[in-house]
Amino acid sequence: EAQVTQNPRYLITVTGKKLTVTCSQNMNHEYMSWYRQDPGLGLRQIYYSMNVEVTDKGDVPEGYKVSRKEKRNFPLILESPSPNQTSLYFCASSTYRGENQPQHFGDGTRLSIL
Amino acid sequence: DAKTTQPTSMDCAEGRAANLPCNHSTISGNEYVYWYRQIHSQGPQYIIHGLKNNETNEMASLIITEDRKSSTLILPHATLRDTAVYYCIVRVLERSSAGNKLTFGGGTRVLVKP
Repeated sequence: EAQVTQNPRYLITVTGKKLTVTCSQNMNHEYMSWYRQDPGLGLRQIYYSMNVEVTDKGDVPEGYKVSRKEKRNFPLILESPSPNQTSLYFCASSTYRGENQPQHFGDGTRLSIL
Repeated sequence: DAKTTQPTSMDCAEGRAANLPCNHSTISGNEYVYWYRQIHSQGPQYIIHGLKNNETNEMASLIITEDRKSSTLILPHATLRDTAVYYCIVRVLERSSAGNKLTFGGGTRVLVKP
């Protein structure tokens, strides 16, 4: 089954404690993105990757890091989490091939930073 | 990407067709109309997209007016599981566009009632 898998689904942690949210896709997609979703602000892109070893900042990259060492994985790293990073996070992937390039989203990771 | 306008919310009876309007009066000739939905706290899900012709797939139909300034998403037989926020997005199909970034507006909150 084609899917984007995020882990963990829920995490409560404390300020300053480094954490990583993993994302993996099994569709051989070139593009991968991280979004955060906050009430009243919609979906905002954090970082994206066009392919292996190619990453770039989205609209709200401050406080986050990413890496793309393998095509299927795109982890999101919070080196020193702060309360303003409490949010619902989504990983997404898509291909650039063909006319229809819908985004496939994971089920989300709800992070609470205390 | 062109701006879209959707009603904030609408109710629909289970088993009936749900017609979701979207205005995109500033749409350009090379912009597609995409529809996604998001069931509460899950990842957004692609529904359908089109350029100027009407489109149908297993989930829904998309009717685009001849001047392309508005469109309607039709869920032919709404079920309780179709309760979600539905997003109409107008965007250029650029393969280098920020990793295929999606920008969601407010969407229409659809409640399917028994």
